[in-house]
Amino acid sequence: QQQVRQSPQSLTVWEGETAILNCSYEDSTFDYFPWYHQFPGESPALLIAIRPVSNKKEDGRFTIFFNKREKKFSLHIADSQPGDSATYFCAASRTGNTGKLIFGLGTTLQVQP
Amino acid sequence: GPKVLQIPSHQIIDMGQMVTLNCDPVSNHLYFYWYKQILGQQMEFLVNFYNGKVMEKSKLFKDQFSVERPDGSYFTLKIQPTALEDSAVYFCASSLDRVDDEQYFGPGTRLTVL
Repeated sequence: QQQVRQSPQSLTVWEGETAILNCSYEDSTFDYFPWYHQFPGESPALLIAIRPVSNKKEDGRFTIFFNKREKKFSLHIADSQPGDSATYFCAASRTGNTGKLIFGLGTTLQVQP
Repeated sequence: GPKVLQIPSHQIIDMGQMVTLNCDPVSNHLYFYWYKQILGQQMEFLVNFYNGKVMEKSKLFKDQFSVERPDGSYFTLKIQPTALEDSAVYFCASSLDRVDDEQYFGPGTRLTVL
């Protein structure tokens, strides 16, 4: 049973477009939602994260939109650059838990110049 | 930024042998994690470790698995004996605190059990 679902599995956009990556979750007690990105041969690294007290979190070109009622959150990458090409993982966790992250399957993003 | 190192990057062993995966976490971090990723699947939580003790382990953390961090050295994952289904990439992570504190990941150890 997948607790965190991620789509699409792969995504190709042109340079300058906005890439949209989607995640949904089942457990309503999750209250911390990070996005990690991973470049080939490198470690997964935290990109941006959100808590349900807000429905939007921005950091430069990266924005998380959060919908608590529908248990969905998405990552929008504005003005996509070829250097953004990587695999992106959404995850979820729960305060009071031991810190374990539940990951989605990942989205492989390709930004074409 | 802070880096987590993992040694070795690749390991090939025969089924039934013992293997130890080593992780050098960020120096001032207190919480340590292992995740397992089978090709084409998501990273799955195995275990986390704090103050010399396992805090939580998943159903993937079989009896053949053990973790330790003797005297602040490497945080290790030992599998004894190994099975074919243990073939995967194992990621180590560390964090200063628990939830909503960034987990820093290592590059992974690719384990192949023949």
